[in-house]
Amino acid sequence: DADVTQTPRNRITKTGKRIMLECSQTKGHDRMYWYRQDPGLGLRLIYYSFDVKDINKGEISDGYSVSRQAQAKFSLSLESAIPNQTALYFCASQNTGELFFGEGSRLTVL
Amino acid sequence: QQQVKQSPQSLIVQKGGIPIINCAYENTAFDYFPWYQQFPGKGPALLIAIRPDVSEKKEGRFTISFNKSAKQFSLHIMDSQPGDSATYFCAASITSGSRLTFGEGTQLTVNP
Repeated sequence: DADVTQTPRNRITKTGKRIMLECSQTKGHDRMYWYRQDPGLGLRLIYYSFDVKDINKGEISDGYSVSRQAQAKFSLSLESAIPNQTALYFCASQNTGELFFGEGSRLTVL
Repeated sequence: QQQVKQSPQSLIVQKGGIPIINCAYENTAFDYFPWYQQFPGKGPALLIAIRPDVSEKKEGRFTISFNKSAKQFSLHIMDSQPGDSATYFCAASITSGSRLTFGEGTQLTVNP
């Protein structure tokens, strides 16, 4: 089983819909991250959390929110999806340095 | 937002060639510089990392060269193989446990 699991792996939705992407990790790491990948733009940080009671905005947090339900779980929500949020989303956990990524959630907003 | 600039965006080499990917950074407080490798359909995975107290680090066919005065670092892949075809990301952070700032990525294709 993967150490970092993301669900769903693929999702197509319509403009204005609320979407939640879920992430769970089995590595016991305190730090978790949500990144967005777009061609030519690399990996951009949306939100991150250093423990259950800690939530921090990243570079591109507008239009997104997160919830850290437990050490192992970190979910990303799009309250009202728009087409330019079409992207590949990655969750990652971190211990002392290395980031461990999930396999990604591909979101398409029509 | 501190940036890490990566080039080229894409790179095609023949098997056995030595692709070189370059990155430049602005924040002199950065002291941890990893490279991540991403295969299609997968998440990025740590390939190799360097700290600014050394100018070069090798792990197998992969070498990071680091130039602190120029605020630049690069990845060299010796004797490249078709299996090295992937997207490579450079990154930087202030400490090894803090959040990473990634470059834009380089899509490498190694032809047989």
